[in-house]
Amino acid sequence: DTEVTQTPKHLVMGMTNKKSLKCEQHMGHRAMYWYKQKAKKPPELMFVYSYEKLSINESVPSRFSPECPNSSLLNLHLHALQPEDSALYLCASSQDGAGMAEAFFGQGTRLTVV
Amino acid sequence: GQSLEQPSEVTAVEGAIVQINCTYQTSGFYGLSWYQQHDGGAPTFLSYNALDGLEETGRFSSFLSRSDSYGYLLLQELQMKDSASYFCAVRDNYGQNFVFGPGTRLSVLP
Repeated sequence: DTEVTQTPKHLVMGMTNKKSLKCEQHMGHRAMYWYKQKAKKPPELMFVYSYEKLSINESVPSRFSPECPNSSLLNLHLHALQPEDSALYLCASSQDGAGMAEAFFGQGTRLTVV
Repeated sequence: GQSLEQPSEVTAVEGAIVQINCTYQTSGFYGLSWYQQHDGGAPTFLSYNALDGLEETGRFSSFLSRSDSYGYLLLQELQMKDSASYFCAVRDNYGQNFVFGPGTRLSVLP
């Protein structure tokens, strides 16, 4: 199984809503990532979890809250988002450690904030 | 910090060969990867270079020169389905972090 599964595929939420994005992988990878991607831009790193611990937080606003319940699951909790947060949110995983070349990406959640 | 540069757009015809260049500045360099992303899709891994030289995977090859902080992706026998965005990416920060270049949009014409 070389899949990273993200749910939901599409999400529309109001600025006062609370929602969560979910990501799951069963490849035994110990690093998991959240990226944000705007149209015609590269993926922009938000968070990195390594061995279920948050290792990198790229100065992301607190309205985004990551959670790693176990080595296979990664969540992104959303609260009080702004319309400019509308984007494609990508989850990825990789074997941890330097020299590991490949990250596997999920298909993403397309988020619209109204 | 890190920065990567790629051409924003490349256009070629079916059957041709195209080269997409990437230059980078980063700390703790561990290797250069290439990803393909079709519109509306997820990035998918194409190739990786940790050492200088050429890596070949079917129609795609990737080259790295660590001394020049430069790499390229070579696509041969172009097909219409190769029309996509191509990103170079580096692992830095002790291998914890994939950072993507700005991307090159490849258009393959009939």
